[in-house]
Amino acid sequence: GAGVSQSPSNKVTEKGKDVELRCDPISGHTALYWYRQSLGQGLEFLIYFQGNSAPDKSGLPSDRFSAERTGGSVSTLTIQRTQQEDSAVYLCASRLSGANVLTFGAGSRLTVL
Amino acid sequence: AQTVTQSQPEMSVQEAETVTLSCTYDTSESDYYLFWYKQPPSRQMILVIRQEAYKQQNATENRFSVNFQKAAKSFSLKISDSQLGDAAMYFCAYQAGYALNFGKGTSLLVTP
Repeated sequence: GAGVSQSPSNKVTEKGKDVELRCDPISGHTALYWYRQSLGQGLEFLIYFQGNSAPDKSGLPSDRFSAERTGGSVSTLTIQRTQQEDSAVYLCASRLSGANVLTFGAGSRLTVL
Repeated sequence: AQTVTQSQPEMSVQEAETVTLSCTYDTSESDYYLFWYKQPPSRQMILVIRQEAYKQQNATENRFSVNFQKAAKSFSLKISDSQLGDAAMYFCAYQAGYALNFGKGTSLLVTP
């Protein structure tokens, strides 16, 4: 596609439920990133993919968070047993291999009640 | 980990005036990139300007320019002739290798 697409745009869930957030990067972009933006905060790095592999998962805050990428394209961020502190905007970005500019999606706003 | 500091949580500027947003960073690397991103209420992060550390010349993009002071590890953004559409959160970011680290942002208000 022309840009990075994320879905859902907004998600409200109850504490303890699992959620899946989807990112569809720009076609041909091999690098993919997930960031979390809590209210009034900067962007917190979660995970980086190069192709289908994730050489850096260091930002995932707990084992309730996981992410996968299939076919070198779509990525899914899964949060299990959601907590209220998981409420945030989750941003995905992608870039071409060798390039240094990231293109961001519009994010998924997660609200945990 | 490299840190990026934006010391101004909020700034205000009148339309048509000039404003400067500050950013400092901490690194031991010699080769890196610096960016300013804009985030309007739509949440979409938009690249404003970038600077390669090996270039001494300050980057310029239309009304946006930077003052890059490598020795001081400072990277400020100047917005000239401010417009209402410039109102947004502005994030400074540092990149070495694949990792991109962001500051906490500066909220820019533009008044008529």
